[in-house]
Amino acid sequence: QQQVKQSPQSLIVQKGGISIINCAYENTAFDYFPWYQQFPGKGPALLIAIRPDVSEKKEGRFTISFNKSAKQFSLHIMDSQPGDSATYFCAASITGNQFYFGTGTSLTVIP
Amino acid sequence: DGGITQSPKYLFRKEGQNVTLSCEQNLNHDAMYWYRQDPGQGLRLIYYSQIVNDFQKGDIAEGYSVSREKKESFPLTVTSAQKNPTAFYLCASCMGRFQGATTGELFFGEGSRLTVL
Repeated sequence: QQQVKQSPQSLIVQKGGISIINCAYENTAFDYFPWYQQFPGKGPALLIAIRPDVSEKKEGRFTISFNKSAKQFSLHIMDSQPGDSATYFCAASITGNQFYFGTGTSLTVIP
Repeated sequence: DGGITQSPKYLFRKEGQNVTLSCEQNLNHDAMYWYRQDPGQGLRLIYYSQIVNDFQKGDIAEGYSVSREKKESFPLTVTSAQKNPTAFYLCASCMGRFQGATTGELFFGEGSRLTVL
């Protein structure tokens, strides 16, 4: 059973556009929701994370929107750049325990 | 610099052979994880360890084994029983619940790509 469901599987966006990736979860005990960015042949790196006591977190061009009642969270990339082309994973965990990852979204930003 | 080191980066194995992937961390993290990554399937958990001398099976543990004799090291052995071992393997670590973890951040190594010939 997939604990975290992620969509879309792939996304193509024009440079300067907004990229939006969505995730949904079931376990209400999750208390940490990170997004990871992965470039080909590299390990994932933490991009931004949120806890369920806030509805939005912004870091530069990256924003997480969190809807606790709907059990959904999303990543918004504003002013998308070709350098943002990568695979993005959402995840959920109970702090200090194992992580559950979405299946990933391959983002391509066209110049 | 603190981080996670995985080796080798590339590994080729003949069918029927066991291979061991190394993972070392100097972040003083209690918790360590092994994930397998296949195209379109995301990250699937193989094994994880919350503390030295203890580890738990993840979702796809069959055909794999691990040990956790030292805090810094969590090697993964891919045995001949693993039917389709060709994949990208990722090791990760974070502060564990016994460390009073508050951030939850998971740090990854650069990965090891295993190819079966």
